[in-house]
Amino acid sequence: EPEVTQTPSHQVTQMGQEVILRCVPISNHLYFYWYRQILGQKVEFLVSFYNNEISEKSEIFDDQFSVERPDGSNFTLKIRSTKLEDSAMYFCASSEFGGTGIFYEQYFGPGTRLTVT
Amino acid sequence: KNQVEQSPQSLIILEGKNCTLQCNYTVSPFSNLRWYKQDTGRGPVSLTIMTFSENTKSNGRYTATLDADTKQSSLHITASQLSDSASYICVVSAEFSADGLTFGKGTHLIIQP
Repeated sequence: EPEVTQTPSHQVTQMGQEVILRCVPISNHLYFYWYRQILGQKVEFLVSFYNNEISEKSEIFDDQFSVERPDGSNFTLKIRSTKLEDSAMYFCASSEFGGTGIFYEQYFGPGTRLTVT
Repeated sequence: KNQVEQSPQSLIILEGKNCTLQCNYTVSPFSNLRWYKQDTGRGPVSLTIMTFSENTKSNGRYTATLDADTKQSSLHITASQLSDSASYICVVSAEFSADGLTFGKGTHLIIQP
């Protein structure tokens, strides 16, 4: 069964460094998302992406964050200058359809645990 | 502001027993409600999706109910198994919004042998 994959599974970085988290969405999906989950907290929406542009972003997704689909398969989240509070699990998700209809099923990857020291 | 509240925060039951998890939401205008299962260190996996016109939906031993008038949902797990130990997350989507979902904090369920 097709699945969303993410690399690396765990990333440790120093405060102020740039990190790139990578995701390979399900191949026929057109909508891509990033979420984060701080330890012990709920999952929070960061950004959605369709047709090579951001379709929505949350307040969390400030200028330190950017997303890109550099080729036909990868979808990346870049954090330019990491802060301690960026430590979290980052989930990528993809869906065949977008919007809020019932067929809008998002499939989540296993996550990348980012630790900022 | 859209919010999803879940109870209890955590629950321990014996294998084979049933349990019910609760979700209250203030999301408007409502589009659909989903229940996800999240194993430790893994991404959420969808169990059910319901629109306002659906009162109940089953997926194996999982049965979700929805009362759109009171803005409440429940997830009932029948004949629990050790593999049911996970966090169960209620997620609500608003109509005409972009693609973001509002997540609850989840109920951490532990099944003991």
